Amino acid sequence: GAGVSQSPSNKVTEKGKDVELRCDPISGHTALYWYRQSLGQGLEFLIYFQGNSAPDKSGLPSDRFSAERTGGSVSTLTIQRTQQEDSAVYLCASSLVQGINNEQFFGPGTRLTVL
Amino acid sequence: AQTVTQSQPEMSVQEAETVTLSCTYDTSESDYYLFWYKQPPSRQMILVIRQEAYKQQNATENRFSVNFQKAAKSFSLKISDSQLGDAAMYFCAYRMEYGNKLVFGAGTILRVKS
Repeated sequence: GAGVSQSPSNKVTEKGKDVELRCDPISGHTALYWYRQSLGQGLEFLIYFQGNSAPDKSGLPSDRFSAERTGGSVSTLTIQRTQQEDSAVYLCASSLVQGINNEQFFGPGTRLTVL
Repeated sequence: AQTVTQSQPEMSVQEAETVTLSCTYDTSESDYYLFWYKQPPSRQMILVIRQEAYKQQNATENRFSVNFQKAAKSFSLKISDSQLGDAAMYFCAYRMEYGNKLVFGAGTILRVKS
């Protein structure tokens, strides 16, 4: 596609429910990243996928958070038993290659609100 | 761990004037990349400019330029001839040379007055 797309654009859920956020990276990009942007704060790295390598999960805040990337393309970020502190904008980015020239292109994000 | 600090939560500038946004960072690495991203209300992050730490020359992109002071670990963004469309949140970010994740500052809201 023309750019990174994310769905849904907005998601409102009740505390304790599970949610799934989807990211479609730019076609051909082998690297995919998830970031979280809490109100008034910068972006916080969550997880990184590169090709068939094991993902870098070092930024996931708890075991309630998980992510998959199927077929090296689409990725789903899952948050189980959501809490109010999970409310944030979740941004996905993709890049062509790892290393020197790997400009990250961002999607428009999903705004998650946990009531 | 690397950290990025933006000490100005908000800045204002008159249209056609020049404004400078500040950023400092902390790292023990000698080779790395620094970035400025713009985030308008649409939430779409847009890369404004990037600087390779091994380059002494400051990066420029049209009206945008940086003042990179490696020894001081400072990386400020100068916007010349400010336009209404420049109004947005601006984030400073760091990446290790062969790293993957970006480390972001908290951001600076830039308001442009007509």
